Amino acid sequence: GAVVSQHPSWVICKSGTSVKIECRSLDFQATTMFWYRQFPKQSLMLMATSNEGSKATYEQGVEKDKFLINHASLTLSTLTVTSAHPEDSSFYICSASGAGVAYEQYFGPGTRLTVT
Amino acid sequence: GENVEQHPSTLSVQEGDSAVIKCTYSDSASNYFPWYKQELGKRPQLIIDIRSNVGEKKDQRIAVTLNKTAKHFSLHITETQPEDSAVYFCAASYAISSGSARQLTFGSGTQLTVLP
Repeated sequence: GAVVSQHPSWVICKSGTSVKIECRSLDFQATTMFWYRQFPKQSLMLMATSNEGSKATYEQGVEKDKFLINHASLTLSTLTVTSAHPEDSSFYICSASGAGVAYEQYFGPGTRLTVT
Repeated sequence: GENVEQHPSTLSVQEGDSAVIKCTYSDSASNYFPWYKQELGKRPQLIIDIRSNVGEKKDQRIAVTLNKTAKHFSLHITETQPEDSAVYFCAASYAISSGSARQLTFGSGTQLTVLP
């Protein structure tokens, strides 16, 4: 089956610093990648959708200057949380789908971000 | 945009009993409905899905039914086991545009507890 990895699996950073999270599709070409945020005991909320080589499309209420998304290749997307604050602490999960009219999204294992 | 409502938020059943989780969606353009199981701190795991051209799908102890007219779909788990305990999410999916990848909208989740 399709495999998506994320790195790091967890990270602790100080308030005001930036953190980069990587999402990789290991055995397929991901034309589209999605970034979700999940707070404790809540559902997955879509933050943005990115297509390889294009600018990401952000959901309403998500600050594009704070959450920088880059999808430079068919196997790698990155999410950078800039000037992180404690309220950005969350579980960040990426997913990827392949070329064409793909139904299924393949999820990464998630990254636990804690901002102190 | 799509809105998915999920009920109940918590469900406790005795081992061996059945569990039913229900979801409704708002956008008639949605035509793919996956169900995910998520254990604490892990990625969502696809357990079953259904497309809008099918009314019911079954995979061993798990089944999903879809009523397009009423815009609701349900997950049925029979002969529940303690290892079925987890959070279950329904989702509805539609193509962002023709030929593009599909965006998922998640329900709020159901914490299923199977009591031994």
